[in-house]
Amino acid sequence: DGGITQSPKYLFRKEGQNVTLSCEQNLNHDAMYWYRQDPGQGLRLIYYSQIVNDFQKGDIAEGYSVSREKKESFPLTVTSAQKNPTAFYLCGTTPGTYSNQPQHFGDGTRLSIL
Amino acid sequence: AQRVTQPEKLLSVFKGAPVELKCNYSYSGSPELFWYVQYSRQRLQLLLRHISRESIKGFTADLNKGETSFHLKKPFAQEEDSAMYYCALSVISSASKIIFGSGTRLSIRP
Repeated sequence: DGGITQSPKYLFRKEGQNVTLSCEQNLNHDAMYWYRQDPGQGLRLIYYSQIVNDFQKGDIAEGYSVSREKKESFPLTVTSAQKNPTAFYLCGTTPGTYSNQPQHFGDGTRLSIL
Repeated sequence: AQRVTQPEKLLSVFKGAPVELKCNYSYSGSPELFWYVQYSRQRLQLLLRHISRESIKGFTADLNKGETSFHLKKPFAQEEDSAMYYCALSVISSASKIIFGSGTRLSIRP
């Protein structure tokens, strides 16, 4: 899916810093999702957005924030309040606002704490 | 509570042997289920969805509402099937989201 671009591919954060992960899509999809992937735990939903200027918390939203100012973009900020941010982060999209459609995914961003 | 359970973290079978990756779900509504696959160095991608009732790369999955299961099966494993497999449940309520299982790594031995 060349239509979803996540950047950077690798990101390092110092303790106490906020960092922002980028997710851009040119698929004209309405809904966008952020997941965290940890070994043995699969994908856990952080935040999702079905339309511009609206988003909902997922299962593990604490310590994260998002915005959806444009349809194409759904950046995720990992704040200093997130105590264990080291993980692989995946951005996904679906064509419509309902999740019963197949999801498309980016290549992911691996975040590590220095 | 909505939940997807994949009991096996790792499944290793010989080439040519049958494969079954287990998936059980918990959901009070009408379930819509998917299998996603992630091959080495590739993006996570859809393998199949239950409403399509199709076979993809020789894999099939049947929804069993009585047993709340959606197991993924293939009669004869091939080495290129080695990958990480995720079962997922679509939840439609006031908002719409998808819940993933913890994944099963399938390893096909030559």
